[in-house]
Amino acid sequence: EDQVTQSPEALRLQEGESSSLNCSYTVSGLRGLFWYRQDPGKGPEFLFTLYSAGEEKEKERLKATLTKKESFLHITAPKPEDSATYLCAVQGGSEKLVFGKGTKLTVNP
Amino acid sequence: NAGVTQTPKFQVLKTGQSMTLQCAQDMNHEYMSWYRQDPGMGLRLIHYSVGAGITDQGEVPNGYNVSRSTTEDFPLRLLSAAPSQTSVYFCASSFGTSSYEQYFGPGTRLTVT
Repeated sequence: EDQVTQSPEALRLQEGESSSLNCSYTVSGLRGLFWYRQDPGKGPEFLFTLYSAGEEKEKERLKATLTKKESFLHITAPKPEDSATYLCAVQGGSEKLVFGKGTKLTVNP
Repeated sequence: NAGVTQTPKFQVLKTGQSMTLQCAQDMNHEYMSWYRQDPGMGLRLIHYSVGAGITDQGEVPNGYNVSRSTTEDFPLRLLSAAPSQTSVYFCASSFGTSSYEQYFGPGTRLTVT
């Protein structure tokens, strides 16, 4: 059974204080690992797809990396507008996405 | 493009009532899915469809029914609402018969009393 565990559950940062969110996964035959951002009261918004170990993708202050067992979402010099819940999901051999419970990030000015 | 739309935005039901949550997309996406999101549980897949006329069960399908008669629409039916179905429901769609890069709707907040 595919599983995704995200840590920490919640993270508070000061503006400009860089950090990383972790997504550990077990899946049979990884077809893709996905990062989403979710703002309160809204649907998740797609950020990145990673397909194989060693792959990295960047978007503004965010960089996602992938190993065979986990993915990291690095946030460099965050701003208050980066505050959101970040969701990780994996797709294995089926057509189904399995999501983690998310990390709630708060960036204080 | 309107993207993925869901109606209603809020709904209150009494136990035993039935209703249909509507979902539509105008991006010509083949893959559509329904999730529920509960505090501390994350997003859980209810049902999904890889194209018109094709549906399959996800992780938590009991108490829900779906059909896919057109590419654009993917309604979710609650057959006999229970308090355990109180949740926020999200519809999503993606290009091709896969879950890659799903686009999510704004959600329906359902309360069953």
